[in-house]
Amino acid sequence: EVQLVQSGAEVKKPGESLKISCKASGYSFTKYWIGWVRQMPGKGLEYMGIIYPDDSDARYSPSFQGQVTFSVDKSISTAYLQWSSLKASDTAIYYCAKHGGDFWSSFPQNWGQGTLVTVSS
Amino acid sequence: EIVLTQSPGTLSLSPGERVTLSCRASQRVSSDYLAWYQQKPGQAPRLLIYDASSRATDIPDRFSGSGSGTDFSLTISRLEPEDFAVYYCLQYGTSPRTFGQGTKVDIK
Repeated sequence: EVQLVQSGAEVKKPGESLKISCKASGYSFTKYWIGWVRQMPGKGLEYMGIIYPDDSDARYSPSFQGQVTFSVDKSISTAYLQWSSLKASDTAIYYCAKHGGDFWSSFPQNWGQGTLVTVSS
Repeated sequence: EIVLTQSPGTLSLSPGERVTLSCRASQRVSSDYLAWYQQKPGQAPRLLIYDASSRATDIPDRFSGSGSGTDFSLTISRLEPEDFAVYYCLQYGTSPRTFGQGTKVDIK
């Protein structure tokens, strides 16, 4: 069974750094893209981008390019989303999602439970 | 980037009714690579439909997707109590992938 288990809720101050995780199991981690999706409070879903664990090829949606960094640790089948300097506007739930193996035809198939990030002074 | 516009924003319906949700793209969706997701309060989204009309694993057959090019729809043939939720479309034919803003289906 495919499972994506995300790290717990975080409360941070503006300017702080943060790295949240998404641990995958039940499939070959390196062969499927993993994407990240943001949901701000009371709002819809926003596609942040995607990473291929085998070679760490990362593609960012324009709104998120330069604002966040995707990474993976293949040895523990875990994907990461990180910020170097958080803003209050980063307050949201962040979901990771397993995609297919081909970049051009893949879509979120299985989702993590989400990580709530709260940024407040 | 492709903008997806979902309509209506909110629907108030009763169990047993048939509903059709619309998702219109600002330009043609390559290969009709469009998916639909259901999200309930406090839960992660769940994949319902992919490739415009293919049902995902374990999705009841009351859910169906149709359309091509720029106009797509999700139909629920007979609403069950557990179907009241927010529905999103996603296009994955062109980078960046983009979501629609969602349609909320609530109980009348």
